[in-house]
Amino acid sequence: DGGITQSPKYLFRKEGQNVTLSCEQNLNHDAMYWYRQDPGQGLRLIYYSQIVNDFQKGDIAEGYSVSREKKESFPLTVTSAQKNPTAFYLCASSPRTRGQETQYFGPGTRLLVL
Amino acid sequence: GEDVEQSLFLSVREGDSSVINCTYTDSSSTYLYWYKQEPGAGLQLLTYIFSNMDMKQDQRLTVLLNKKDKHLSLRIADTQTGDSAIYFCAESPDGSSNTGKLIFGQGTTLQVKP
Repeated sequence: DGGITQSPKYLFRKEGQNVTLSCEQNLNHDAMYWYRQDPGQGLRLIYYSQIVNDFQKGDIAEGYSVSREKKESFPLTVTSAQKNPTAFYLCASSPRTRGQETQYFGPGTRLLVL
Repeated sequence: GEDVEQSLFLSVREGDSSVINCTYTDSSSTYLYWYKQEPGAGLQLLTYIFSNMDMKQDQRLTVLLNKKDKHLSLRIADTQTGDSAIYFCAESPDGSSNTGKLIFGQGTTLQVKP
């Protein structure tokens, strides 16, 4: 059963703590993306990776870090430098074949600050 | 710059047609997308249209593209209560640079009344 999984569904962060959100896909997609969604707003791109061992900053990368050591996995770390981390985080992947950029999304992780 | 605009809210009666509108700015976009988001969930791809097409129909969904006005619409025929969700329009603005980034509108909340 192919798809994108994100864990955990809910995550709580204390002040000064780094937390890591997991994103895994078994679709054999080359590209993966992290978005942040705030209430009543669209999605904003945090980081993206087009290939293993390579990634680029999106529009709101400050306070976040990523790695892409395996094709299937693209974890996002929310660092203590991110002062307003409460949001819904969505991971997506894309096959990037023949210029078609369709992105497929995971179920999301809701991050809350204690 | 790149921007996608949508109206924020639409309310219809069950059985009526719904039309959700979107305007975008990048004329080099090759694909335009419609996604659906149910409460607390990720984004589900509904349909997409290639920029050299004017219309695409898929069961109850009809997408119309007016490239001259940079206007995209999604029509849902015989709207059901299960169609209540947030609908996002997205464009792939990169053209030849092909980074795979998508730009999302802020989403239109569709409310279907019984």
